[in-house]
Amino acid sequence: GQNIDQPTEMTATEGAIVQINCTYQTSGFNGLFWYQQHAGEAPTFLSYNVLDGLEEKGRFSSFLSRSKGYSYLLLKELQMKDSASYLCAVKHDYKLSFGAGTTVTVRA
Amino acid sequence: DTAVSQTPKYLVTQMGNDKSIKCEQNLGHDTMYWYKQDSKKFLKIMFSYNNKELIINETVPNRFSPKSPDKAHLNLHINSLELGDSAVYFCASSHSDGVQYFGPGTRLTVT
Repeated sequence: GQNIDQPTEMTATEGAIVQINCTYQTSGFNGLFWYQQHAGEAPTFLSYNVLDGLEEKGRFSSFLSRSKGYSYLLLKELQMKDSASYLCAVKHDYKLSFGAGTTVTVRA
Repeated sequence: DTAVSQTPKYLVTQMGNDKSIKCEQNLGHDTMYWYKQDSKKFLKIMFSYNNKELIINETVPNRFSPKSPDKAHLNLHINSLELGDSAVYFCASSHSDGVQYFGPGTRLTVT
């Protein structure tokens, strides 16, 4: 089976940095995706890693180590609107398998 | 607007009924998906179609039947609804192996 683990909840202060870790064990690997999902809304695409290393996109960065089965999403200069669930997903066998999501709460 | 759209947004129905959810995308994608997100927010793939051909069929009761009349549409029909079918159902689309874009979701409540 597929196993994708990420912390359930994280809390941080406005303006701070938060790092959400994701570890995975899947039957194959064709890339790792991060999605953001606000309560009651659809998941929206944030970032994609297929090779090892860091991908930076404005305030959001994502890192991948395929040998360790590990990724993280780094959120910088946190804003209140960043309060949401962050979903780690691994592409394999033509499909995405999702982790259970990490709920990030940003406090003033 | 270019997007993935779903109808209806909310669906409340009784056990035993049959219902359908419709999905359309105008992004020119060739692959479409149905996901179920349960009360614990866990998002799980149900089906995927590529160019109207079924390519993923996860362990889903055969009361659920997807239909893709063309590349831009993927509908989901559910027979004999059960309480455990209550969830949010998301449609998504992508270019083959690319980034998946999700529709707004259909919140199904079975009473």
